Amino acid sequence: DAGITQSPRHKVTETGTPVTLRCHQTENHRYMYWYRQDPGHGLRLIHYSYGVKDTDKGEVSDGYSVSRSKTEDFLLTLESATSSQTSVYFCAISDIDSGELFFGEGSRLTVL
Amino acid sequence: GENVEQHPSTLSVQEGDSAVIKCTYSDSASNYFPWYKQELGKRPQLIIDIRSNVGEKKDQRIAVTLNKTAKHFSLHITETQPEDSAVYFCAASLGSSASKIIFGSGTRLSIRP
Repeated sequence: DAGITQSPRHKVTETGTPVTLRCHQTENHRYMYWYRQDPGHGLRLIHYSYGVKDTDKGEVSDGYSVSRSKTEDFLLTLESATSSQTSVYFCAISDIDSGELFFGEGSRLTVL
Repeated sequence: GENVEQHPSTLSVQEGDSAVIKCTYSDSASNYFPWYKQELGKRPQLIIDIRSNVGEKKDQRIAVTLNKTAKHFSLHITETQPEDSAVYFCAASLGSSASKIIFGSGTRLSIRP
């Protein structure tokens, strides 16, 4: 498996609290992504990054922000979590030449 | 916005039979079309991909076909086996770069013994 780790792997929080998920890679890949997975919706792109400090919105970016201050780390922040953000969040990395996405193990977030 | 539609959402086939999953995409500039397999409780993994300059690609029991005119691509699994049971996702690049990938809603494939 590609060197990609997500933390935390599981989190339960309350509505209105801030949450940050971390994605860390050891592959030095340029591109990093955050997806959310929900039944019936597949994988939906939240934000992605094409370099340090370079990010762009995906399909469902409202309520989420991201930061990438180092090549190896991509943070996803929910400023004020809502129950609709209960989901499994996957980070992915890509070396773009092949196009293949390598996914992390996922982070299950429950917002009560 | 741009999207990828996938059908069917569930598919059950007899072991040894073939399975076909179909997807359509809306962005005419898309040129990269991967397929991912996700086993229960695991992360998605790439099983095959195709680029717009070819119409078909095969890898053992798996094949993908692409019709750019119709904006349609399909996954074909022949001689299905129990280990093929999983959720399959089609995906497409947005624009001509493979940097932004969006997914279909998934197909849960079950193989009956």
